Amino acid sequence: DSGVTQTPKHLITATGQRVTLRCSPRSGDLSVYWYQQSLDQGLQFLIQYYNGEERAKGNILERFSAQQFPDLHSELNLSSLELGDSALYFCASSLAGVVDEQFFGPGTRLTVL
Amino acid sequence: AQSVTQLDSQVPVFEEAPVELRCNYSSSVSVYLFWYVQYPNQGLQLLLKYLSGSTLVESINGFEAEFNKSQTSFHLRKPSVHISDTAEYFCAVSDDGGSQGNLIFGKGTKLSVKP
Repeated sequence: DSGVTQTPKHLITATGQRVTLRCSPRSGDLSVYWYQQSLDQGLQFLIQYYNGEERAKGNILERFSAQQFPDLHSELNLSSLELGDSALYFCASSLAGVVDEQFFGPGTRLTVL
Repeated sequence: AQSVTQLDSQVPVFEEAPVELRCNYSSSVSVYLFWYVQYPNQGLQLLLKYLSGSTLVESINGFEAEFNKSQTSFHLRKPSVHISDTAEYFCAVSDDGGSQGNLIFGKGTKLSVKP
């Protein structure tokens, strides 16, 4: 158990819909990262938050957005869903920066039908 | 921007045989390098990392990786693998060489250990 929790574990929805994925970091960790893992693209970094502020942005689509709340939990919002958005979405947390170990949650498997 | 290449998508080996999983990155500037492992139906876990100092780093379960700056490589090795090492292994590099950057992951290598 990494100490990072993600909900829900599975999500099945239809094209055009909007979903929210939730992540609670390990106690004491200030950074939260979101990743998308798919068979064709591999593990893609989406976005990082540090203590409530956006710190780094990766291959995140404009239809996707995220935020980190004062209690440090984070949400990833995916809208206007397409079939190609079906993937495993991981949240990770670390103490602060890139030199610190990232602890990954179990992931949310999103299926868009 | 940094990129990471893991040359082998799948590596099948027999139990107790040695294994090397290859990783090359694109830039020769100062970088931080990591290997993460993903067991079936689980999230990734840090296996080992290179930040500075000795170019050879080791994990607690017998894996080691060597940072080679001239060849921009960070290959992962184990002299004798076990069935329990069956997993997917990801090499990652910090994207700008600084402590504020994010990680860029390779596409992963699936290690399959057969009895």
